[in-house]
Amino acid sequence: DAKTTQPTSMDCAEGRAANLPCNHSTISGNEYVYWYRQIHSQGPQYIIHGLKNNETNEMASLIITEDRKSSTLILPHATLRDTAVYYCIVTRGGADGLTFGKGTHLIIQP
Amino acid sequence: NAGVMQNPRHLVRRRGQEARLRCSPMKGHSHVYWYRQLPEEGLKFMVYLQKENIIDESGMPKERFSAEFPKEGPSILRIQQVVRGDSAAYFCASSPPLRTSGRPDTQYFGPGTRLTVL
Repeated sequence: DAKTTQPTSMDCAEGRAANLPCNHSTISGNEYVYWYRQIHSQGPQYIIHGLKNNETNEMASLIITEDRKSSTLILPHATLRDTAVYYCIVTRGGADGLTFGKGTHLIIQP
Repeated sequence: NAGVMQNPRHLVRRRGQEARLRCSPMKGHSHVYWYRQLPEEGLKFMVYLQKENIIDESGMPKERFSAEFPKEGPSILRIQQVVRGDSAAYFCASSPPLRTSGRPDTQYFGPGTRLTVL
């Protein structure tokens, strides 16, 4: 699986959009971009994934650049409960074990 | 639709004892994965199983660790003769069968088992 690079930490004001960047310059054509988050010590929670088109669901939006070398996860109206470590993962899917990096610690400020 | 279930949620063992961690996948899911998260570290893949088969155990320590996913019942991660370094959170994830998804198989995680070795 391709390697990803994320900022170590980010702050965002409550109610504002949180934009979390991820670089994956070595991504292959058949690899997807997945986002998970881990709140405190809970199990990782699936957020969203995409291949090359932008995606949106009830939790977030995923913007993938045209060359697919980077992406941004957008939480449109951040709340205090969105404080968590966010992981950007590149994977072929199928049934591969996921490779978690250190992620971005997002802190939502009141 | 119940999510991935793991039990026990907390497990305390003394050095040299055995630890058994159980994982029940989501309904309809036939793939199970185990991950370990050491204190202050990220999650590390350990093993991937389908019913009665170990598909990928590239992340499993060579000794003392084993995993199974029998035809009936939950998946079991077994750690023999535990040592203090085994203290960690162990997470299980499941995904649906490849033939029905048509898309990459999203893994859904359970709440984890926190193992403490005294």
